[in-house]
Amino acid sequence: QTVVIQEPSFSVSPGGTVTLTCGLSSGSVSTTSYPSWYQQTPGQAPRTLIYSTNTRSSGVPDRFSGSILGNKAALTITGAQADDESDYYCVLYMASGISVFGGGTKLTVL
Amino acid sequence: EVQLLEFGGGLVQPGGSLRLSCAASGFTFSNYGMSWVRQAPGKGLEWLSVISGSGGSTKSADSAKGRFTISRDNSKDTLYLQMSSLRAEDTAVYYCARRDYSGRHYFDCWGQGTLVTVSS
Repeated sequence: QTVVIQEPSFSVSPGGTVTLTCGLSSGSVSTTSYPSWYQQTPGQAPRTLIYSTNTRSSGVPDRFSGSILGNKAALTITGAQADDESDYYCVLYMASGISVFGGGTKLTVL
Repeated sequence: EVQLLEFGGGLVQPGGSLRLSCAASGFTFSNYGMSWVRQAPGKGLEWLSVISGSGGSTKSADSAKGRFTISRDNSKDTLYLQMSSLRAEDTAVYYCARRDYSGRHYFDCWGQGTLVTVSS
């Protein structure tokens, strides 16, 4: 069974830059996996940030960007703000037609 | 305004069944694939199932196969998740999510979720 791997936690200073990654237990992530990224704060529904690797969803600040780095999908936050402190999830679309969430990254801004 | 509203959650005994509903508004429901995603307390998001706009095609995660059935009624703009043989580990907030229209396989709209608690 395919496992999507994210860093469990990450910390960034206010104004700093952080890159979260999303990999596969076996194989490489490519654009054909249509990587997407979601932000979730406690008690709230997820919010769509990035889709199709690097397209920002409507209303998402341009400090959020997506890319492929090596064999992983990546979410970069440039100029982190306090309210970026959230859980971040990636989703990969598999050739079988199913979607798989990564385990999520808890981002702390301090 | 696009809205998704889940309901039908609640307390159910182990081995019991429950049907969740997700009422859609603000868009042409039958044009969009829809998914269910759940989140156990303190855990991450887990994709469960997807159904095509027509309802003619479904896919499910291994964890959902055999016990959970996704369906939809386009005349009522409503998505369903029929859950059976429920276990304690099915305790979670269940979200419905709209799949994008353009075939880029992401979720572009989310409901607020409904809590299912499986306990005796």
